[in-house]
Amino acid sequence: DTGVSQDPRHKITKRGQNVTFRCDPISEHNRLYWYRQTLGQGPEFLTYFQNEAQLEKSRLLSDRFSAERPKGSFSTLEIQRTEQGDSAMYLCASSLTEYTEAFFGQGTRLTVV
Amino acid sequence: RKEVEQDPGPFNVPEGATVAFNCTYSNSASQSFFWYRQDCRKEPKLLMSVYSSGNEDGRFTAQLNRASQYISLLIRDSKLSDSATYLCVVNHDYKLSFGAGTTVTVRA
Repeated sequence: DTGVSQDPRHKITKRGQNVTFRCDPISEHNRLYWYRQTLGQGPEFLTYFQNEAQLEKSRLLSDRFSAERPKGSFSTLEIQRTEQGDSAMYLCASSLTEYTEAFFGQGTRLTVV
Repeated sequence: RKEVEQDPGPFNVPEGATVAFNCTYSNSASQSFFWYRQDCRKEPKLLMSVYSSGNEDGRFTAQLNRASQYISLLIRDSKLSDSATYLCVVNHDYKLSFGAGTTVTVRA
């Protein structure tokens, strides 16, 4: 399968714990995005990378959130000291260029209890 | 003002009907436009790109009006399998902004 893959698919964690999600983009795609989606809403932009450079972070991304793409391939999104409000679907997408369509992974559904 | 706004619907239509809905965007410098389809609890999937001249893909037709800053999607001869949420997506400042989605339900 050469699409975008995300791991894990589901994560249940206790409030205050740290979690880390992984995204493997389509191999030739330079651009990688992270989005968050809650029920009834469209995906909200969190951050994006051009190769290994993180070019923009949304104001939604508090200090508890950090993302990396160390070698310009896979990316990780870490949430520290999780809160119940962090419960959402975290979506990763990749695209060939900044103008072309993005392809999404199946997402990681986070539940903070 | 939200960057991308959509009529949330829902649009409930019988099989075989035509349904159309719009999306407006706020940034006149937006560079590219897309429609995505999202099924319940699944990831968004690209339906079609939207070109300035308008484009068609089977039963789906997309139009772009840059002067009025809106995009439209028309679905002809609706099928039960067209039931989904349709997300309007606009690329500006080199990232994709999503609308909240328009829900379409096609009934037998």
